[in-house]
Amino acid sequence: AQSVSQHNHHVILSEAASLELGCNYSYGGTVNLFWYVQYPGQHLQLLLKYFSGDPLVKGIKGFEAEFIKSKFSFNLRKPSVQWSDTAEYFCAVASYNTDKLIFGTGTRLQVFP
Amino acid sequence: KAGVTQTPRYLIKTRGQQVTLSCSPISGHRSVSWYQQTPGQGLQFLFEYFSETQRNKGNFPGRFSGRQFSNSRSEMNVSTLELGDSALYLCASSSRQGSLNTEAFFGQGTRLTVV
Repeated sequence: AQSVSQHNHHVILSEAASLELGCNYSYGGTVNLFWYVQYPGQHLQLLLKYFSGDPLVKGIKGFEAEFIKSKFSFNLRKPSVQWSDTAEYFCAVASYNTDKLIFGTGTRLQVFP
Repeated sequence: KAGVTQTPRYLIKTRGQQVTLSCSPISGHRSVSWYQQTPGQGLQFLFEYFSETQRNKGNFPGRFSGRQFSNSRSEMNVSTLELGDSALYLCASSSRQGSLNTEAFFGQGTRLTVV
């Protein structure tokens, strides 16, 4: 079945630590890839997106993600996290085959000062 | 411009009742999608409406239904509520169907509690 997998359900880091959140999808064909973030009490907002071109994309607040087509992955990275990065992070895939935007189960990130 | 507006923000219903949630998309957006968010399950796709037509549907029972009006506002209805329907219901609007090549903008959600 077509799906989006986020293997890290809960990540706890200290400030200044590096972050990498995994995202894998099982859709074939052309896909658009997204990372959304949900800060406590706020609505979901776009962190970054990949449609085509350079597979390394940069988003807001120092986040970046790399699309590796052969691995069906779109991992999110940040070299040095801050307390304000505490939030839930969702990977999402829009597939041309299905015409749907499908989300992973999310990763809860807690950053301690 | 104004963002996606969902009403009401909070709702408490009893089992067996029905509920209607409303979503006003960003002006000019013709696509409205609905998601159910629960802890551990993430966002589960319910359905998408584009230009008043349901274009896609997720794996939810027929108790979950929706519609879209000519002004792109959308409503979602859940009949015969069950305890397991307690969740945050999110609405997202975008300018293109399926959010292909575009970003989806989310509302704050409606927190539904079924008792």
